[in-house]
Amino acid sequence: EAGVAQSPRYKIIEKRQSVAFWCNPISGHATLYWYQQILGQGPKLLIQFQNNGVVDDSQLPKDRFSAERLKGVDSTLKIQPAKLEDSAVYLCASSLAWGKRRNEQFFGPGTRLTVL
Amino acid sequence: SQQGEEDPQALSIQEGENATMNCSYKTSINNLQWYRQNSGRGLVHLILIRSNEREKHSGRLRVTLDTSKKSSSLLITASRAADTASYFCALKTSYDKVIFGPGTSLSVIP
Repeated sequence: EAGVAQSPRYKIIEKRQSVAFWCNPISGHATLYWYQQILGQGPKLLIQFQNNGVVDDSQLPKDRFSAERLKGVDSTLKIQPAKLEDSAVYLCASSLAWGKRRNEQFFGPGTRLTVL
Repeated sequence: SQQGEEDPQALSIQEGENATMNCSYKTSINNLQWYRQNSGRGLVHLILIRSNEREKHSGRLRVTLDTSKKSSSLLITASRAADTASYFCALKTSYDKVIFGPGTSLSVIP
């Protein structure tokens, strides 16, 4: 079974530039998550989709971050414009369904963003 | 804060010893999950314990949950160098949110 795919794996940009990350979840997984993980910290949920609808985006800095999940499959996360403090690993995860008791999340390898 | 707080932040042991990590939290939970993250990689799910369970085992892993104390522990027995990683507890709250703690960094010395 293919895992969660993310690209790119690494990205270096200058502050005020824009960047986009792509995620392809495991086939059949209805729920998709984007996390931000700053070095030395645990993942922080940015946004959670159930199919193509947003379940939770309470911690997404909406003035600069946006995300979409067209057709309930792939998803993109965009930062525009980037700030130095956005340097982090951006993790995508998927699970079978939201609201189920056994909603184990499967994580992709992440995209390491460096903002200079 | 609702998030889990792992303790200790860092742990260094010799190969073959047992490693114990603790997670404390403040909110009501449906379940608590433990994940492992190797350096530079994504997280891997290890074990899930429901709020009505007290103990679960999976291979060399043993997880306990005390909802009255709002705490959980992860025990890795007979540790190996390959167990070197960061370990995170993740709470699934009554509102269906999943919240990760800051993690425990485990080093197993061969």
